[in-house]
Parts: sequence; C-alpha cells; structure tokens
Amino acid sequence: DIVMTQTPLSSPVTLGQPASISCRSSQSLVHSDGHTYLSWLQQRPGQPPRLLIYKSSNRLSGVPDRFSGSGAGTDFTLKISRVEAEDVGVYYCMHATQFPPYTFGQGTKLEIK
Amino acid sequence: DVQLVESGGGLVQPGGSLRLSCSVSGFTFSNFAMHWVRQAPGKGLEYVSAINPDGLKTYYADSVKGRFTISRDNSKNTLYLQLSSLRPEDTAVYYCVTLSFDYWGQGTLVTVSS
Repeated sequence: DIVMTQTPLSSPVTLGQPASISCRSSQSLVHSDGHTYLSWLQQRPGQPPRLLIYKSSNRLSGVPDRFSGSGAGTDFTLKISRVEAEDVGVYYCMHATQFPPYTFGQGTKLEIK
Repeated sequence: DVQLVESGGGLVQPGGSLRLSCSVSGFTFSNFAMHWVRQAPGKGLEYVSAINPDGLKTYYADSVKGRFTISRDNSKNTLYLQLSSLRPEDTAVYYCVTLSFDYWGQGTLVTVSS
C-alpha cells in the first residue's frame, strides 16, 4: 500500500498569514495515464470531509482561490495564502493513483494562534 | 444537487451486526463506483470498502475483510454496508463517498460496546 505522510501534524497560524502543509507518498503518484491523483480534503469541526484540490493542483468549483496545491511525483504541498477563521480544521492528503487501496495522510490540524 | 444520506448506525454489542444504507440523489448512481470511508472518534480517515457500478467487483480493507459486505441496489439508488462480527475498534462514523471523493454524506455513527 502507498503510505501518505503529512507534515506538520499541527499548524498554529495567525489570521491573515500564509499556511503550508506537506504530503509525501511512499511511491510516485503518477498514474499510467499520466495524471497524478493526489487530492486535498478539508474537515471542519463536526463536519464531513470536503474535497478542495484534485489531481495535485486543481481546485474544486467553489473553493476559494487562497487555496492552492502543487507538487509532483512523491512530494506535494497545500498552501493557504491568507488564513481565515473558517479555514480551521483538519486537512488530509489522499491518493487515488493505485487501487487498491486509496490511502489518506494522518491529517494536519490547522488552528489559529 | 448531489445528496448522500447515510442511515442505520447505532449502538451494538461486540459480535453484533448492523446494515448501513446510503441513499443517493442528484446523479446517475448506476454509472459510478462508490466508497465507504470511516473515522474513529478523534482519529483520521480510513478507507474501508468500494464497489463498482454494477456491483460485481468489490474491495475491502484488511481490517474489515470477511466481516463487512458492500452492496448496492441501482434501482433504489442506494449503497449498503453490512457490518458483522463487530469489534470495539469498528466504532466510527461511516461515510459513503462518490467515486472521485467530491461528495460525502454526513456520516452515520456506529458504536460497538457492551
């Protein structure tokens, strides 16, 4: 199974400041079709997860443009350009490249300082 | 609008069984594979099971293999997860999720305890 490792596991951030979360996979996430199936999910307190980013850098419709995804191969990053109060929650990376199974990172808790 | 509504969770004793349902609307259910993902209290996300569009191919995580059964009724736009031989470590919120993980239900809580 592909192992997804996120850092940091906790990220205290000042409102209006940027935040960055890293995700590393134990194998390349480049699929045989050429796409990289790395996604980022946000889970606000008490809510189900919500897809933010797919195929490493594509924002889902309705996701604010302060969220951006980047990376290739085994190293990926989620960046929030200016953190807002509504961004508090846990962020997960996950891959959908090699099935089975799909796997998630441990989660990174974003909190306001 | 796409909606996924899970039901069937509850409190069950170790060794017991439950059937979870996920009623789907807003897209052509029969065309897409579906997933179940669970989340133990205060923990991260665990991929549990998947089923292809016609229901003939399924996948189970090792932690549930032989105890859980995924199925679907395309005529009823409903996804199921039969949970058997339940253990305390199966306590979690169970989410049904669309193929591309772009839609999640609100989840249904399963608590396994005596």
